[in-house]
Amino acid sequence: QVQLQQSGPGLVKPSETLSLTCTISGDSISSSYWSWIRQPPGKGLEWIGYFYYSGRTSYNPSLKSRVTISVETSKNQVSLELRSVTAADTAMYFCARGENAFHIWGQGTKVTVSS
Amino acid sequence: QSVLTQPPSASGTPGQRVTISCSGSSSNIGSNTVNWYQQLPGTAPKLLIFSNTLRPSGVPDRFSGSKSATSASLAINGLQSEDESDYYCAAWDDSLNGPVFGGGTKLTVL
Repeated sequence: QVQLQQSGPGLVKPSETLSLTCTISGDSISSSYWSWIRQPPGKGLEWIGYFYYSGRTSYNPSLKSRVTISVETSKNQVSLELRSVTAADTAMYFCARGENAFHIWGQGTKVTVSS
Repeated sequence: QSVLTQPPSASGTPGQRVTISCSGSSSNIGSNTVNWYQQLPGTAPKLLIFSNTLRPSGVPDRFSGSKSATSASLAINGLQSEDESDYYCAAWDDSLNGPVFGGGTKLTVL
């Protein structure tokens, strides 16, 4: 049974970097695409980007200049970095398996950007 | 504003059939398959329908999807109280080179 466990701070100061980690169990990170998706309070879902084990990445153009998705193969983890955050980045952040149809999701991490 | 357009709300009584629409364009629904997600408050979305019509294991056959041109629909037959949830459509967008989502439809079971 594949499970995704997210970790990371729930509060980030404006202009700083948001860093989240998704630890994969029951599957290998080299088996699939791994994506990050976010959901601002009371709003819909927004794709952030994905990482494929070959090293291929793709990011939402609206966030591309501030985002990095990477993996730590030895720990079976995929990470998200979002730089220079503002209040507009306040959202629930999810990791998910896949690049289009997301069959498996992490539990979500609520991130608030505030000083 | 979401790329795919859904009605913000829908409702029905137990046992009824309810449909939720999703409208897109030639760069997303018009040229790619549609997925549907169910999201209960405070939880991660759950894949309900993928590739327009397919149900993941464990999803009741009361849920069905369809697609025509640049629009798609989710149908729920025999509505149950536990179906009260938010529903999102999604599709790959060739311009974005990534998936886009609808704004979500809040389904109320009266």
